[in-house]
Amino acid sequence: EAGVAQSPRYKIIEKRQSVAFWCNPISGHATLYWYQQILGQGPKLLIQFQNNGVVDDSQLPKDRFSAERLKGVDSTLKIQPAKLEDSAVYLCASSLYEQEFSDTQYFGPGTRLTVL
Amino acid sequence: TQLLEQSPQFLSIQEGENLTVYCNSSSVFSSLQWYRQEPGEGPVLLVTVVTGGEVKKLKRLTFQFGDARKDSSLHITAAQPGDTGLYLCAGTSGTYKYIFGTGTRLKVLA
Repeated sequence: EAGVAQSPRYKIIEKRQSVAFWCNPISGHATLYWYQQILGQGPKLLIQFQNNGVVDDSQLPKDRFSAERLKGVDSTLKIQPAKLEDSAVYLCASSLYEQEFSDTQYFGPGTRLTVL
Repeated sequence: TQLLEQSPQFLSIQEGENLTVYCNSSSVFSSLQWYRQEPGEGPVLLVTVVTGGEVKKLKRLTFQFGDARKDSSLHITAAQPGDTGLYLCAGTSGTYKYIFGTGTRLKVLA
């Protein structure tokens, strides 16, 4: 079974530029998550989709971050404009369905973003 | 804001030694998960505990959920170099989904 795919793996941009990340979840997984992991810290949930609807985006900086899930499958996360503090690894994860309190998330390898 | 504090933050030990990693919070969680993350990869789920006082074993790894469901521990017996990585706990509750801990970076020396 193929895992969660993410691209690009690495991205370097100047501050105030725009950037987009792509995620292809495991086939059949209804739930998709985007996390931000700053160096030396644990991942922080940015947004959670159930099919193509948003379940939780309370920690998404909506003035600069946006995300969508196309037809309940692939997802893109965009930052516009980027700030220095956005430098981090952006992880995508998917799960079969939201089994309350014990769902298994499968993570992709992440996209490492460096903002100069 | 719910927080999960892990200790120690860094741990470097010799192969064959035992170790314990702690995950603590002032909040109650419905379940708690432990992950291991290697450089350049996403976290991989090791175990999920859902019942206060629950103990689960996975080969040389023993996981315990505190009676009050506010804390958890991970004990590794006879650590091996392959255990090296970043260990993360993550808690879930009715309001907050998947709050990750601060992480413990383990290095096992051969």
